[in-house]
Amino acid sequence: GAVVSQHPSRVICKSGTSVKIECRSLDFQATTMFWYRQFPKQSLMLMATSNEGSKATYEQGVEKDKFLINHASLTLSTLTVTSAHPEDSSFYICSARTGDLSYEQYFGPGTRLTVT
Amino acid sequence: AQSVTQLDSHVSVSEGTPVLLRCNYSSSYSPSLFWYVQHPNKGLQLLLKYTSAATLVKGINGFEAEFKKSETSFHLTKPSAHMSDAAEYFCVGRRGGRRALTFGSGTRLQVQP
Repeated sequence: GAVVSQHPSRVICKSGTSVKIECRSLDFQATTMFWYRQFPKQSLMLMATSNEGSKATYEQGVEKDKFLINHASLTLSTLTVTSAHPEDSSFYICSARTGDLSYEQYFGPGTRLTVT
Repeated sequence: AQSVTQLDSHVSVSEGTPVLLRCNYSSSYSPSLFWYVQHPNKGLQLLLKYTSAATLVKGINGFEAEFKKSETSFHLTKPSAHMSDAAEYFCVGRRGGRRALTFGSGTRLQVQP
């Protein structure tokens, strides 16, 4: 149980276009979802935290107008990279947390974004 | 703020020998600590977690970690490395009531035949 999926797994887009990444909890309801970014050979950096039905909370230094997050339901969160630039190329990973007290997060397989 | 520090960016062992991946944490509060593994181009898999129930935590695939408050450490060990253990390992912390996780910089484990 506790499976999180991401779609697409990899995407290549042209500079200036927007890209949407979906994160779904397949067999549980996620009260909170998190979006991370991972540069090559580096650790994961938290970008934002989203709760279903409310605005996302962005970490310092993350542009909320560039990285639009929508948590429309308890099983789906989307990250839209607007007006993408080559420096946005990265591995984006989402995680989902249930409402229980374990606070355990379940991670998606990640989406590799390449902006040309 | 809580932070976790992984002391080695790269560890190389021979197959069948013990594995030790080091992690230290800093927190004013009793932390929750995790070890995750990431295989190339894959998501993260939880190996084990410490949540104050027991200081020695056993995880999947033969891994275990011991929480040592006096040393503020949470090192990951395995008695005998397998080729399939080659991956990136992250020590992760969560302080008190915060929901977000803080990731260490990662340790790449290489297993030589």
